[in-house]
Amino acid sequence: SQQGEEDPQALSIQEGENATMNCSYKTSINNLQWYRQNSGRGLVHLILIRSNEREKHSGRLRVTLDTSKKSSSLLITASRAADTASYFCATPWGSGGSNYKLTFGKGTLLTVNP
Amino acid sequence: NAGVTQTPKFQVLKTGQSMTLQCAQDMNHNSMYWYRQDPGMGLRLIYYSASEGTTDKGEVPNGYNVSRLNKREFSLRLESAAPSQTSVYFCASRTGTGGTGELFFGEGSRLTVL
Repeated sequence: SQQGEEDPQALSIQEGENATMNCSYKTSINNLQWYRQNSGRGLVHLILIRSNEREKHSGRLRVTLDTSKKSSSLLITASRAADTASYFCATPWGSGGSNYKLTFGKGTLLTVNP
Repeated sequence: NAGVTQTPKFQVLKTGQSMTLQCAQDMNHNSMYWYRQDPGMGLRLIYYSASEGTTDKGEVPNGYNVSRLNKREFSLRLESAAPSQTSVYFCASRTGTGGTGELFFGEGSRLTVL
């Protein structure tokens, strides 16, 4: 299996600042996803970027994908205290199709201070 | 709609006891997954079911069994619990059979094995 690795492991910023998290992965992929997990809760899907896309936006989120470097970044602009959570990148592995599986990195813990 | 429902939310077992974690989804999804989440380890896939009637091993299947009871339900069984199985367990589901698609997660089942 392959696994994405997020960097940094933890990030603490002030409200209103931007937060950037990075993800590196090992082998070629056809898409990469980002998820968010509030403390004690399940993961929630944020955004999916396909291998033929370089950048994607969703509200205050901006995701980039550099397949040549096998890396992705998640930018949260104008952060709020409610953005405090762990953020995970997820990459597919296996034969695909009906055997589609996602592997997750260890996550970045983002703390946004009021 | 409830989405993905897991029961129980909390459980304490003694070493050697058995138990079953239940998961049900009401989104008519084909694929279902069981992950475990441990501090510093991220999420690791235990078993998955690509469609009703099929199951397959993930990254860490030892010590677990699964049953895809019908399209809605996917259970995870610990036959003889060990302290190393203390973890938070997440069930997830996904629609479709293509090479993309987001996972929908339950809220987790917190298991402690003494």
